[in-house]
Amino acid sequence: SQKIEQNSEALNIQEGKTATLTCNYTNYSPAYLQWYRQDPGRGPVFLLLIRENEKEKRKERLKVTFDTTLKQSLFHITASQPADSATYLCALGSPYNNNDMRFGAGTRLTVKP
Amino acid sequence: DVKVTQSSRYLVKRTGEKVFLECVQDMDHENMFWYRQDPGLGLRLIYFSYDVKMKEKGDIPEGYSVSREKKERFSLILESASTNQTSMYLCASSRVHEQYFGPGTRLTVT
Repeated sequence: SQKIEQNSEALNIQEGKTATLTCNYTNYSPAYLQWYRQDPGRGPVFLLLIRENEKEKRKERLKVTFDTTLKQSLFHITASQPADSATYLCALGSPYNNNDMRFGAGTRLTVKP
Repeated sequence: DVKVTQSSRYLVKRTGEKVFLECVQDMDHENMFWYRQDPGLGLRLIYFSYDVKMKEKGDIPEGYSVSREKKERFSLILESASTNQTSMYLCASSRVHEQYFGPGTRLTVT
């Protein structure tokens, strides 16, 4: 069965460091992958989308990589700040159906000052 | 800015009650979704709709139904609420891939 695993439930890092979150998947061939941010008590907010034919995408301090051979995406936040503390979700999109998207359980990131 | 609103932030219902969760989006999106979110399980798709009066089952449709009579409104119905339906319910809308979520409704069934 399809499985999406995000590296850990929680990740703690020091302010200024680079946070790296991992999303691994099995038994799936996504056409694209998205990352969302979710703050406590709120809905997820879209951050980035990367397609299967793209290796890397950047947006300000965010960088996403997508390795379809390893079946893995890495999400980096450089020069992290306490305001980056949140839960980050990866989501995989089906190549057959725009509406079929599968979410990981998320990684809760805490950036300590 | 896209806005997705949900009728209630918190709801407490008794077992066996019929429950309506409403979602409205203001960006003329064709696609609308209902998810539930439980700790450790991520978001699981209950139903989605790609057009008015059209609906498709997601991964966990049992015990739920939906209604989409107008493009901007997508309702989730729990026909007979049970305690295992206690969860956070999230509505989302999209045009293509990027989904816009509402704030969620935390439903407790006692």
